[in-house]
Amino acid sequence: AQSVTQPDIHITVSEGASLELRCNYSYGATPYLFWYVQSPGQGLQLLLKYFSGDTLVQGIKGFEAEFKRSQSSFNLRKPSVHWSDAAEYFCAVGSTGFQKLVFGTGTRLLVSP
Amino acid sequence: GAGVSQSPSNKVTEKGKDVELRCDPISGHTALYWYRQRLGQGLEFLIYFQGNSAPDKSGLPSDRFSAERTGESVSTLTIQRTQQEDSAVYLCASSLEGTNTGELFFGEGSRLTVL
Repeated sequence: AQSVTQPDIHITVSEGASLELRCNYSYGATPYLFWYVQSPGQGLQLLLKYFSGDTLVQGIKGFEAEFKRSQSSFNLRKPSVHWSDAAEYFCAVGSTGFQKLVFGTGTRLLVSP
Repeated sequence: GAGVSQSPSNKVTEKGKDVELRCDPISGHTALYWYRQRLGQGLEFLIYFQGNSAPDKSGLPSDRFSAERTGESVSTLTIQRTQQEDSAVYLCASSLEGTNTGELFFGEGSRLTVL
């Protein structure tokens, strides 16, 4: 069965500093991988996705993620964090047909001045 | 509307009562999902509807939970004889199958509190 692990419950980053949020997945075949963001009072929004091809994918709001099959990871990165990036971030894995995306437990990002 | 709409946004109920949560997906989206998000936890899949196919109910935690969808429109999630452990945010999402995007569009959720 598919599973996703986000080992960091909370992360605090200074504004302007770089960010990396970790995501590890378990899936027997080639996964489809997603990062979603949940801002306070808003629904989840897709940041980026990986299906195949280039292992470095670009998303909205300056985020990127790199798929590393050997490490079963799909870490999210941003070179310079803005205060508006404070939110909860969820990694998810899917399969053919995208039925039943399996989500991780989320990482809450706090941005300090 | 332009996005997924859920109602009510907040619901407080007493243990043992039944509740209904409503989801209005984006027009034209054939796929509809219900997820549950308990405090401090990830999203837990509940049920998936795709067009006129039989729904995937494999995530429903007990027979107190049921969901219906009329065609490709509104869906209702019903929880009977609510328990305190049912307290959570119930999220609905829809997607446009066939575009190969895998992108789910989420509503803002219905927060259920069972006293």
